[in-house]
Amino acid sequence: KAGVTQTPRYLIKTRGQQVTLSCSPISGHRSVSWYQQTPGQGLQFLFEYFSETQRNKGNFPGRFSGRQFSNSRSEMNVSTLELGDSALYLCASSLASSGSQREQYFGPGTRLTVT
Amino acid sequence: GENVEQHPSTLSVQEGDSAVIKCTYSDSASNYFPWYKQELGKGPQLIIDIRSNVGEKKDQRIAVTLNKTAKHFSLHITETQPEDSAVYFCAASRGNTPLVFGKGTRLSVIA
Repeated sequence: KAGVTQTPRYLIKTRGQQVTLSCSPISGHRSVSWYQQTPGQGLQFLFEYFSETQRNKGNFPGRFSGRQFSNSRSEMNVSTLELGDSALYLCASSLASSGSQREQYFGPGTRLTVT
Repeated sequence: GENVEQHPSTLSVQEGDSAVIKCTYSDSASNYFPWYKQELGKGPQLIIDIRSNVGEKKDQRIAVTLNKTAKHFSLHITETQPEDSAVYFCAASRGNTPLVFGKGTRLSVIA
């Protein structure tokens, strides 16, 4: 079974631009979570989607948004990019959003650099 | 909200020795505690997890222990090998809440 895939793997953007990242979960997984990983702050939760609905949201500004499609694929968007948005953005999928099927499996991430 | 502290931040061991990484959590309602291994250029890989209804879980050279009273859990790696070198993260959640991660431990296994 294929793992979580994320595209693109690397991105370089300029301050003020916007960016869209894509995540395809493991087949059969309906929950997709997004995390930002930086050396200073570690892994921080952005949001989670389950069956096209946002279930949880982390403490990030409204410039960060996401959505999930009927096939469980998810996208996240960052508008008006700032230098501090440079990070590794990780997507994780799980069978369910709660209970014993909560094990999350991560993709390889998208490395975003803002200049 | 939940807060997870992880120690040490770096750990060097000789090949064949054991490695122990410890985490403490603040939310007594947390009931799910996974451990992830992240190698350079890759996403975190789930290596073992434990739920609050058990005190210990083993998988070959890896074991995790949980002390709910003290609110801490630990990862034990025995007979370490060079390929165990990576960054290890602990996390905690209530099961329907987002994972809260520790800051990570960089483990170096010296051949």
